[in-house]
Formats: sequence, C-alpha cells, structure tokens
Amino acid sequence: DIVMTQTPLSSPVTLGQPASISCRSSQSLVRSDGDTYLSWIQQRPGQPPRLLIYKISNRFSGVPDRFSGSGAGTDFTLKISRVEAEDVGVYYCMQTTRLLSFGGGTKVEIK
Amino acid sequence: EVQVVESGGGLVQPGGSLRLSCAASGFTFSNYWMHWVRQAPGKGLEWVSRINNDGSGTVYAQSVKGRFTISRDNAKNTLYLQMSSLRAEDTAVYYCVRDDYGSVDPWGQGTLVTVSS
Repeated sequence: DIVMTQTPLSSPVTLGQPASISCRSSQSLVRSDGDTYLSWIQQRPGQPPRLLIYKISNRFSGVPDRFSGSGAGTDFTLKISRVEAEDVGVYYCMQTTRLLSFGGGTKVEIK
Repeated sequence: EVQVVESGGGLVQPGGSLRLSCAASGFTFSNYWMHWVRQAPGKGLEWVSRINNDGSGTVYAQSVKGRFTISRDNAKNTLYLQMSSLRAEDTAVYYCVRDDYGSVDPWGQGTLVTVSS
C-alpha cells in the first residue's frame, strides 16, 4: 500500500499571505504510462471534499489560480499564493497511481 | 452537469447490514471506474473500495474485505455498496467518486451510516 504523509498538521495563516503544504509518498507515484497521479483535495467546514489539483499541477475546473501544485516522484507541494477567508478548511493529498490513498490532512486556518 | 448522489445511509445495529446507492448523471457511467470513500466523524478520508467500468474487477481496503461488496448496474447508472457485519468503526459519511484518469471527481454530499445499538 502507498502511504501518504502530509506536513504540517495545521497551518495558521494571515489573510493575504502565502501558505504551503507538503506531501510525501512511501513510493514513487509515477505510473507505467509515465503520468504521476497525485491530486489535492479541499474540504471546507461542513462541506464534502472538492478536487483542486490533479496530476501534480493541473487545476480543476473553476479552481482559482492562487492554488498551484508542484513536485515529482515522491515529494509534492500545494501552494496558496494569497490566502483568502474561503480557503479555510482541510487539505488532503491523494494518490491514484495504485488504488487510492490519502494523506492525513492539513488544516488551514486564519491567524 | 456531472454529479453523483449517494443514498441509503441510516442507523443500523452492530452486526447489521445496509446497502448504499450512488446515482450518477451527466456522464457516460459505464466508461469510468468508481470508488467508495468514507470519512468517520471528525476524521480524515479513507478509501473503501474500487470497481472497474464493467464491474468485472473489484478491490477492497483490508478494513472492509469480506464484509463489504461493491457492484454497479450500468443500465441504471448506479453504483452500490452492500455492507454487512457492520461495526461501530464503520460509522462514517460514505462518498462515491468517479475516477477520471487522474482526477477524482465529482464528490457528492455523501450518505451517513451510523452503527450503534
């Protein structure tokens, strides 16, 4: 099984300031087709999860460009360039290279 | 609009059974692999099971293997999760999601399963 590890657990951020979340996988997420199936999921309080980023860096439809993803192999990062109030919630990295597994989540909150 | 709507959750006693349904619309259901994912109260997301597009291949998390069965009816655009021998630790909101070659979307509102006496 692929284990996903996220840091930090919590990220207090000032409005308008950047935030960064790291995710590490226990093995490479590069699949035999050459693609890397690493996604980022946002879950606002009281809401279902929502796809933000797929295949490392592709923003899903309707996702603001202040969200960006990067990384390769086993190390990945989600960055929010300027945090807005609506960004408060829990963020999960997720791999679908082999089955599906999630990181433990990072709570983004306003200082 | 691409969407999924989960239903069938409720309160069930330990050792009981429940069948969840997921109605898909806005896309060609039979073309996609589907997953069930759950979230216990106040906890993170946990993958439960996956089924391929024609229903011939299924995989389960170790925590539910032998107790849960995933299936689909492509004629009805519906995904199912038959749950039996339910335990308190199965209490969660259950989501069905489409696997679109790297993007897992959409996510519905989920359906709450509570296992308690």
